[in-house]
Amino acid sequence: GENVEQHPSTLSVQEGDSAVIKCTYSDSASNYFPWYKQELGKRPQLIIDIRSNVGEKKDQRIAVTLNKTAKHFSLHITETQPEDSAVYFCAAPKTGNQFYFGTGTSLTVIP
Amino acid sequence: KAGVTQTPRYLIKTRGQQVTLSCSPISGHRSVSWYQQTPGQGLQFLFEYFSETQRNKGNFPGRFSGRQFSNSRSEMNVSTLELGDSALYLCASSRRDSSSYNEQFFGPGTRLTVL
Repeated sequence: GENVEQHPSTLSVQEGDSAVIKCTYSDSASNYFPWYKQELGKRPQLIIDIRSNVGEKKDQRIAVTLNKTAKHFSLHITETQPEDSAVYFCAAPKTGNQFYFGTGTSLTVIP
Repeated sequence: KAGVTQTPRYLIKTRGQQVTLSCSPISGHRSVSWYQQTPGQGLQFLFEYFSETQRNKGNFPGRFSGRQFSNSRSEMNVSTLELGDSALYLCASSRRDSSSYNEQFFGPGTRLTVL
């Protein structure tokens, strides 16, 4: 089955610094990789996703990179702000809409 | 467009009881997936319904079941509740087509506490 490993589990950065969260997956057939942000007491929200036909995707301060050979993908947040503090989840699909989620990274941005 | 809604938002039950949770997807979305979120296990897939049929099922006991109605609304049922069933239950809807994965939109969740 699909396993998604996510590291680190907690991350603290100074405001303005960059944050990087990494995930590895096991199913080489996986071809879609979303990242979700979940603020305390709120629902997970998609912040960026990438399909396997591209190696990198960027949206303002957020970027995702994908290395299909190594089976890992990473979330990069630049110029972090306090409102970036949240739990971030990566996910990879098994079949259809069945997704395996990483265990989450709790990001704290220190003002 | 209205987002995914879930009812009730909070629920307190005792061991041995059963519970039914409801999820209304975004209009036009025909796929509804259910997840259990706990601090220790993270987000775990329960099952997915599409066009009133269960398409995928996660590794949960038979006490967990669900169904989907013709209007795409979905219900999830847990029978003979155990303390370990205390969790946030999230549903997610998506357009779902056969050719590619689609973005999942999550509801606010139902917080179930089993005493």
